[in-house]
Amino acid sequence: DARVTQTPRHKVTEMGQEVTMRCQPILGHNTVFWYRQTMMQGLELLAYFRNRAPLDDSGMPKDRFSAEMPDATLATLKIQPSEPRDSAVYFCASGPERGAQFFGPGTRLTVL
Amino acid sequence: AQRVTQPEKLLSVFKGAPVELKCNYSYSGSPELFWYVQYSRQRLQLLLRHISRESIKGFTADLNKGETSFHLKKPFAQEEDSAMYYCALRNSGGYQKVTFGTGTKLQVIP
Repeated sequence: DARVTQTPRHKVTEMGQEVTMRCQPILGHNTVFWYRQTMMQGLELLAYFRNRAPLDDSGMPKDRFSAEMPDATLATLKIQPSEPRDSAVYFCASGPERGAQFFGPGTRLTVL
Repeated sequence: AQRVTQPEKLLSVFKGAPVELKCNYSYSGSPELFWYVQYSRQRLQLLLRHISRESIKGFTADLNKGETSFHLKKPFAQEEDSAMYYCALRNSGGYQKVTFGTGTKLQVIP
């Protein structure tokens, strides 16, 4: 049963440090999404890739966040420098071009 | 613009009572609609999609294009149904943008 994987599962860091989160989409899926989930804002779309090309990153703070897909098996989300308000659970999801998305287990980020 | 509205943040029902989680959408084309469930501190999981018209864990959802709704229903709530439920819309255009509702927390009281 193929699943989206994410690393690390938990990350505690200090303000100002760089954070890199990784996602391995399900093989064969050509769309990848990054979401941020907080109690206050719920689920927010940060970035969307199709065939490794970024289609939408309008939900992402451009000054500190960046998202890439160096190859079809890896998507990364970086925060530099991190701030306490970035504390959240970050989910990656993949899917075919149409249809449902399949979510990873999330990275729980705490920025002190 | 496409939008998904889940009007209830929290829905509390007694075990064995019927459940209806509301979802309304706005989209001018032919959308794909989904329900996802998130159990405590776990990943979101696909529960239902409108095109398959299936019943999963006793839940069903019917797309009503006239009312632009996709409500999730279950005749008899179980304690293990307690979770966050998200309605999502995917457009049929070139972008296939996905929009999630704000979610409804279902609490089943024993």
